[in-house]
Order: sequence, then C-alpha cells, then structure tokens
Amino acid sequence: DADVTQTPRNRITKTGKRIMLECSQTKGHDRMYWYRQDPGLGLRLIYYSFDVKDINKGEISDGYSVSRQAQAKFSLSLESAIPNQTALYFCATSDDEYNQPQHFGDGTRLSIL
Amino acid sequence: SQQGEEDPQALSIQEGENATMNCSYKTSINNLQWYRQNSGRGLVHLILIRSNEREKHSGRLRVTLDTSKKSSSLLITASRAADTASYFCATDRGHGSSNTGKLIFGQGTTLQVKP
Repeated sequence: DADVTQTPRNRITKTGKRIMLECSQTKGHDRMYWYRQDPGLGLRLIYYSFDVKDINKGEISDGYSVSRQAQAKFSLSLESAIPNQTALYFCATSDDEYNQPQHFGDGTRLSIL
Repeated sequence: SQQGEEDPQALSIQEGENATMNCSYKTSINNLQWYRQNSGRGLVHLILIRSNEREKHSGRLRVTLDTSKKSSSLLITASRAADTASYFCATDRGHGSSNTGKLIFGQGTTLQVKP
C-alpha cells in the first residue's frame, strides 16, 4: 500500500461545483502539504499544516480551503471551482525533524469544464 | 513566484552518457533538494544537500552546491532508459538555523534517455 494516498486520482467536474480532494498517510508524519502543478510552472504550495491544529496559507491559497481532520488526513476543497483551477494536485508529508524530505502521493488530475 | 530556475528545460541523451542539470535560486537557503517525477506519478526525493555542504553523492547521482553563485547541479552518471523523467530542484529558505519545512520548486528539467 502507498504511504501517501490521494483520492480521487482523476476528476472531471463543472464550473461552480464544490470539490474535495482527500489525502491520507500512513507514515506517521506531522507535516502535510498541498501543491498544485501546472505545465511549465513546477509545483506551487497551496496550504500546509505542521500538526492537527495548525493550518497555513501557501503561495496560492485563494479559491482553496483545507481541513486537517487528523494527523493522517488532510483535505483540500475548492468551494466553487473555476476552469483555471484545472491542474494536477499533489499531497505531501514530511517528518518534523531537521532537514527531512517530503513524500508525495501520486496526485489527483482535476479538470474543470 | 518560483525560487528555482532550471536549465536546460529539456535534455535528450543516449543510454550510458552522463546527464547534467542545473538549478539557480534567488535567496539564501537552508538546504536544497532534488526530486524525480516519472510520468503520471508523484515526486520522489533523490538527495538533499545542506547549505554548508558543497558536494554530495548517492549511487550514480552527484549534487554540487555553490551558495556564492546560488546554484546547484545534479549529475547522473551512466544514464539508463529508466532515468527518463522530470527532475526538480527545491529549496528551503530556512528560518535562522532551522529549516522552514516549506519547499519552493523549480520548473524542472525533462530528461529523455534513449536506449
């Protein structure tokens, strides 16, 4: 089983719909992240959480919200989806020890028509 | 805004050749990391180099860091077809002597290794 699991893997929806992307991890890490990947732009940080009661905005948080339901679960919501939110979304986790790498899920491909 | 700029954007080589990718960044950093992304998959961590290190090796990978030039390079020696992927550098700017835990990614280099 994957250490970082994202659901769904693919989603097509319409403008104005509310969408939730879910991430769960079995690594026991406190830190979790949501990124967006667009062609030619690399990954950009949307939100991050360093523990269950901690939520922080990243570089591009407008139009998104998150919920950290438990240490193992971190959800990303698009309250009213718009076409320019079409992208590949990644969840990642890391330990809170010094200089630890991030571990990524396989992504959710989201298309908004 | 993107911290890292990677060069080249795309690289095509023959199996057995070496591949070199470069990353430049704008601000001081605590550490720099390299990740690989196979098509349709998540990123996989390859190697981390701290700001006080100049060179690091892991198997066929060699990473250098020049903080005076704000640049890093990733060398893959004796490349294989399985090395075909996109490669990203990512920097942690740091907060005092600690890392922030937040990474800023470059735009990536797409490497194709032909059999």
